[in-house]
Amino acid sequence: NAGVTQTPKFQVLKTGQSMTLQCAQDMNHEYMSWYRQDPGMGLRLIHYSVGAGITDQGEVPNGYNVSRSTTEDFPLRLLSAAPSQTSVYFCASSYSHFREKLFFGSGTQLSVL
Amino acid sequence: AQSVTQLDSQVPVFEEAPVELRCNYSSSVSVYLFWYVQYPNQGLQLLLKYLSGSTLVKGINGFEAEFNKSQTSFHLRKPSVHISDTAEYFCAVTPVGYGKLTFGQGTILTVHP
Repeated sequence: NAGVTQTPKFQVLKTGQSMTLQCAQDMNHEYMSWYRQDPGMGLRLIHYSVGAGITDQGEVPNGYNVSRSTTEDFPLRLLSAAPSQTSVYFCASSYSHFREKLFFGSGTQLSVL
Repeated sequence: AQSVTQLDSQVPVFEEAPVELRCNYSSSVSVYLFWYVQYPNQGLQLLLKYLSGSTLVKGINGFEAEFNKSQTSFHLRKPSVHISDTAEYFCAVTPVGYGKLTFGQGTILTVHP
């Protein structure tokens, strides 16, 4: 099993550019989520999904879009990148959203200039 | 809404010494509690979780945590640390029956020889 796979690992964008961070899991998990990690702030939830076709906002959704057309994939789209979106992004999944542990990807380090 | 406060941003200790990483939470409903560990340049891994039952929870790598409902705390302990325990540790909480996992700010544990 590959687990949770995130691509790319590193990305540099210019302000105003758009891009998609990819996340795929091969564990048939219903729940998938995106977090951003900033120094001294822990991980903050951006968006999450409890199944294909269902998404919802987390704590910091502004500037990001998601969709969940399949169980396996949960891409995160930055519509118009801003320097405030410079961060490390983690995708995570679990069997359900109530009590199961999250499996994390290895992260995407994004810099917006 | 729930919140998590990790009381120490950095904890330096010597090898083989005991350590306690403190976590307090706030919630108006019952919660599930988790501790995750992040080694350098990696995603997060689950150390242990409290769902119900015994308030003393044992996890991987010799770590344990005690749930104290009256003090709304979930402190992480290890009786004797190793150099390999150097990492960042995150406390997290989710309300029972609801899927938004909220993380604390993180505590960097540095074990010195």
